[in-house]
Amino acid sequence: GAVVSQHPSRVICKSGTSVKIECRSLDFQATTMFWYRQFPKQSLMLMATSNEGSKATYEQGVEKDKFLINHASLTLSTLTVTSAHPEDSSFYICSAATGNDEQFFGPGTRLTVL
Amino acid sequence: DAKTTQPPSMDCAEGRAANLPCNHSTISGNEYVYWYRQIHSQGPQYIIHGLKNNETNEMASLIITEDRKSSTLILPHATLRDTAVYYCIVRFLYGQNFVFGPGTRLSVLP
Repeated sequence: GAVVSQHPSRVICKSGTSVKIECRSLDFQATTMFWYRQFPKQSLMLMATSNEGSKATYEQGVEKDKFLINHASLTLSTLTVTSAHPEDSSFYICSAATGNDEQFFGPGTRLTVL
Repeated sequence: DAKTTQPPSMDCAEGRAANLPCNHSTISGNEYVYWYRQIHSQGPQYIIHGLKNNETNEMASLIITEDRKSSTLILPHATLRDTAVYYCIVRFLYGQNFVFGPGTRLSVLP
């Protein structure tokens, strides 16, 4: 299947700093990318849906000014956690949808905020 | 909310078939049944999906009941590397995200 990468795979930052996570579709163009968050021992929860060239659609309860999403090209979407706090520590996972609606998940990014 | 219910955990002996059930009694006619699995600290991995017919690929078989209200994922010869959380998800084929429930934690025992 197609490959989706995320960078970095893990990041540790101090409280109050901003962290950018990249999601790339390596061998296909993704018109839509999804961002999920997973807390320990819980399931994945959708944060937002990102379409290339337009504003992201955020799920209820997800602050759009805190979790900035940019989908600048058909192969790259970025999630920036602004002013991160310890409660933002989580496993962030993206998925990318192909033109025929197959979806492929990235390997995830482990964020730890001290 | 997820539209599926799965047992929270199951054990399976290595080399034996693992049969993971899923109930989706409110599934609509155009919704597919998808199965993904997540090995610890990794992203979800696609296994198989189907609409109404049984499906088989190199990883697993998917058996969907005639009324489509439940399904079973079968791993024919489970190995230790199949230990993971298995998610059963119903979804229209186009345009939607996946809604993950708690899944079934499968432990394959030596």
